[in-house]
Amino acid sequence: DTGVSQNPRHKITKRGQNVTFRCDPISEHNRLYWYRQTLGQGPEFLTYFQNEAQLEKSRLLSDRFSAERPKGSFSTLEIQRTEQGDSAMYLCASSLDGTSTDTQYFGPGTRLTVL
Amino acid sequence: DQQVKQNSPSLSVQEGRISILNCDYTNSMFDYFLWYKKYPAEGPTFLISISSIKDKNEDGRFTVFLNKSAKHLSLHIVPSQPGDSAVYFCAASGKAAGNKLTFGGGTRVLVKP
Repeated sequence: DTGVSQNPRHKITKRGQNVTFRCDPISEHNRLYWYRQTLGQGPEFLTYFQNEAQLEKSRLLSDRFSAERPKGSFSTLEIQRTEQGDSAMYLCASSLDGTSTDTQYFGPGTRLTVL
Repeated sequence: DQQVKQNSPSLSVQEGRISILNCDYTNSMFDYFLWYKKYPAEGPTFLISISSIKDKNEDGRFTVFLNKSAKHLSLHIVPSQPGDSAVYFCAASGKAAGNKLTFGGGTRVLVKP
């Protein structure tokens, strides 16, 4: 078990460009979560999946943000028409089954810088 | 509306002494509480957790205490080691809300040799 992996680790883009991040969860984990962390703050929940089903997306920051987990394994987070305010660390976490004591394990994150 | 708060942004402690980190929450629906440790440019690393049916959980040098009536939890690290220097986040979740984590703002711990 290699843990949660995220790619790329760093992304620098110009305002207005689209970016896509990938997350590979721990292999037997059914739940996958996306969070965003800005400087000096704790991570903030964005969306999550149970297998391939996206169970909540109301916390995605705008309609420029979308996430998929097409086969219930890896997930992608896309940001369209990036803005400078999108600069942050994007974190992915996975967990086993969503029971009440289900622990989420985080990947190393993707740091996005929008110029 | 900050549902999870860590009121101490930083803590400095001598190596070998106890570090005590505090966390307060407001949402009674939270039933699982976790502590994560974070180094710069890395993702949070899970440390220890506690279910709302318990008031204490211990794992090696780390102990978490939960006071449900006060909606307060604390993390004790003893003895503190220089490698413990990091930012510590308290997080809470509730099954009714899909187990999504709500984090506090973090406490930066510096352990001095």
